Amino acid sequence: DAKTTQPPSMDCAEGRAANLPCNHSTISGNEYVYWYRQIHSQGPQYIIHGLKNNETNEMASLIITEDRKSSTLILPHATLRDTAVYYCIVRFTLSGNTPLVFGKGTRLSVIA
Amino acid sequence: EPEVTQTPSHQVTQMGQEVILRCVPISNHLYFYWYRQILGQKVEFLVSFYNNEISEKSEIFDDQFSVERPDGSNFTLKIRSTKLEDSAMYFCASSKALAYTDTQYFGPGTRLTVL
Repeated sequence: DAKTTQPPSMDCAEGRAANLPCNHSTISGNEYVYWYRQIHSQGPQYIIHGLKNNETNEMASLIITEDRKSSTLILPHATLRDTAVYYCIVRFTLSGNTPLVFGKGTRLSVIA
Repeated sequence: EPEVTQTPSHQVTQMGQEVILRCVPISNHLYFYWYRQILGQKVEFLVSFYNNEISEKSEIFDDQFSVERPDGSNFTLKIRSTKLEDSAMYFCASSKALAYTDTQYFGPGTRLTVL
């Protein structure tokens, strides 16, 4: 089972920041936090990942709390194309083949 | 930007028939994966493959499933005798096999419909 808890759905106005929370209170020291999204029935799309420091890339920012028990994915200026299901996944990665365990994710609706 | 590709995009088959789903992973990746998603349900891991052998498989990946890397570019999932409950989206993924941090990139999927 997934080791994360996410709200089932969220709305965000177009152009505003979308802040998607994730709880992972049982995360261990060797586990990374990964975020993927799935637009309609397309393949999951990698967004960002981190261990304990905040991370930013061209798609999003990832804020991880100091105790690592929760994180927030931030889409700085949401567009209609960001409407998708967003998955927060905790993953042990000392080797390269750990499967991703998907939960139900958060369905983000970006509204014009 | 390199992408994982999958063919066909949609496969319709009769129950009991064999199907082969094909994937071309990203060229310098070494780990390959299959996941599936039954309509309205979660994405589920099926199998991972490295160095020409299965690394890990889930309970779903029973004897009716097999994987193969027949050449240097393709990675296939075979279902020997399809059942109605095999109807799902099947996603292939690949990764570089880096220690400590390893990102899996997914293909667009094959929609399998078993009649």
